[in-house]
Amino acid sequence: GAVVSQHPSRVICKSGTSVKIECRSLDFQATTMFWYRQFPKQSLMLMATSNEGSKATYEQGVEKDKFLINHASLTLSTLTVTSAHPEDSSFYICSARDRGENEQFFGPGTRLTVL
Amino acid sequence: GQSLEQPSEVTAVEGAIVQINCTYQTSGFYGLSWYQQHDGGAPTFLSYNGLDGLEETGRFSSFLSRSDSYGYLLLQELQMKDSASYFCAVRDKSNYQLIWGAGTKLIIKP
Repeated sequence: GAVVSQHPSRVICKSGTSVKIECRSLDFQATTMFWYRQFPKQSLMLMATSNEGSKATYEQGVEKDKFLINHASLTLSTLTVTSAHPEDSSFYICSARDRGENEQFFGPGTRLTVL
Repeated sequence: GQSLEQPSEVTAVEGAIVQINCTYQTSGFYGLSWYQQHDGGAPTFLSYNGLDGLEETGRFSSFLSRSDSYGYLLLQELQMKDSASYFCAVRDKSNYQLIWGAGTKLIIKP
């Protein structure tokens, strides 16, 4: 199956700093990438959907100025958590899908801890 | 809107068979998917039902009945490594997004 990588796998940062998470599709073209957040013992919550070359579409309640998403190429999307606070601590997972395909492939996730 | 319901937790014995149900309310979707997620890991795709009926992949099978708004994941010959959370999801026809159930934690006892 297709592989999606995510970097870093774990990050600890101080409150007020910004953190960038990279998501790459390794062997297919990710025309659409999804960013999810998952709190402990909860389901995945979609944060935003981005199509290559277009601005991301954010879900209701997700601040686009706080969670900056860039999908500049067919293999790379980045999520930047700006001015991170402890409540942003969560498991962030990216997912990618090629055009016309039903299956989504998930990255291994990034565990963010904001002190 | 779309919503999916599945049990929060299911317990079974190693070697046994377990069924995880998923009922949904949706105005239109392409198919029902199942994902497995181990603690601390990302979801991995298990199966997809685009049409009604049973899909079998090794020890796992998945079933969909659109008329009953119901599906299930069947796991046979349970192994300890199957202990994980299992999520059902539907792909919304209007925006192609996956709508997730809350997940079922499967606990397997020796």
